[in-house]
Amino acid sequence: DAGVIQSPRHEVTEMGQEVTLRCKPISGHNSLFWYRQTMMRGLELLIYFNNNVPIDDSGMPEDRFSAKMPNASFSTLKIQPSEPRDSAVYFCASRGLEKTQYFGPGTRLLVL
Amino acid sequence: DQQVKQNSPSLSVQEGRISILNCDYTNSMFDYFLWYKKYPAEGPTFLISISSIKDKNEDGRFTVFLNKSAKHLSLHIVPSQPGDSAVYFCAASEQNYGQNFVFGPGTRLSVLP
Repeated sequence: DAGVIQSPRHEVTEMGQEVTLRCKPISGHNSLFWYRQTMMRGLELLIYFNNNVPIDDSGMPEDRFSAKMPNASFSTLKIQPSEPRDSAVYFCASRGLEKTQYFGPGTRLLVL
Repeated sequence: DQQVKQNSPSLSVQEGRISILNCDYTNSMFDYFLWYKKYPAEGPTFLISISSIKDKNEDGRFTVFLNKSAKHLSLHIVPSQPGDSAVYFCAASEQNYGQNFVFGPGTRLSVLP
């Protein structure tokens, strides 16, 4: 199994630009999670989906952030417009029937 | 307010000795706990879990202890190896609440050869 796949691994962009992060969960997993990791706040849950439906988006910082899961094998996290304070590592994780979440390698985002 | 705390940002241990990583939580409704290990430039990987119906779970060199009355859990690594050097995150959830895990800030373990 390839595990959770995230792309791009690194993204450098300028303030105001749109950023799209992508995630392919482990095949057969029915839950998907987006996390953000910063030095100040550690690992925070942004949003999670169950069977492609957003269940809890209370962690999404503001309206500039949006996430979609059009099918069981793909999800996006979009930031529009991006700001320097969005610079962080963004992780995607997926989960099957057991409680363990399996994380992808992360996308390191730098907004200049 | 942090619901899951790991009060030691870093820990150094000699190879072959025991590493003890601590985690405290404030939400008495938490009843399922996991430890993750994270290497630089990689995502966290699952290490070991424990449910509140147990007070100990063991997997090879890794043992997690849970003290529900103290709202405290600890991860013991015996013997410690240089490859164990990583950041360790404690995470907690309410099993009946859903799938939302709350993560601690992590402890960086350095195992010295």
